[in-house]
Amino acid sequence: SSELTQDPAVSVALGQTVRITCQGDSLRSYYASWYQQKPGQAPVLVIYGKNNRPSGIPDRFSGSSSGNTASLTITGAQAEDEADYYCNSRDSSGNLVVFGGGTKLTVL
Amino acid sequence: QVQLQESGPGLVKPSETLSLTCAVSGYSISSGYYWGWIRQPPGKGLEWIGSIYHSGSTYYNPSLKSRVTISVDTSKNQFSLKLSSVTAADTAVYYCARYLRSPSPVYDAFDIWGQGTMVTVSS
Repeated sequence: SSELTQDPAVSVALGQTVRITCQGDSLRSYYASWYQQKPGQAPVLVIYGKNNRPSGIPDRFSGSSSGNTASLTITGAQAEDEADYYCNSRDSSGNLVVFGGGTKLTVL
Repeated sequence: QVQLQESGPGLVKPSETLSLTCAVSGYSISSGYYWGWIRQPPGKGLEWIGSIYHSGSTYYNPSLKSRVTISVDTSKNQFSLKLSSVTAADTAVYYCARYLRSPSPVYDAFDIWGQGTMVTVSS
């Protein structure tokens, strides 16, 4: 079982704002990174660290953290944002990598 | 640009050893970063398998540790995965990826991924 918990599915109306969350005790000490995965494709890093976006990632993607919860916010969701989203961070020991179970985002 | 490419058999028999290689182009493994393997069973989420630094230091998922070996060959600019005693539960798409293991602030970011290779365990 994963030490990081994500809601299995979230939906958002086109153009609206959506927050996808990732919960785990280790997030009190470590930042999460976020990945977007579309069907048949490899994951793509969209947010890492405190709130860093790799080159080419739209600024409608942002990250935040509070207590044991990390969040990925998409401000003004687009149809092309429909995908699975995964968080990752360290485990409670601080040495090993863990992934959340993933959230399927539907853009209505 | 940096590219990663997995290679290896697409079909492995139960109880045998799965062997995959990740060839890195556009970046020297010896220059830094960690390198990792992640897998995804059909219809399921991502599972971290393990990681290696160019010096050879490794980290493994505890649930797989007894069966996993990850090694690096800096002369060929590639790293490899061996998973022994495979069963049907090991059927998955296997990805290799480069990642930044930041000591402070602490985070892991897999920034470059291979396209993935499907491995089926079946007799």
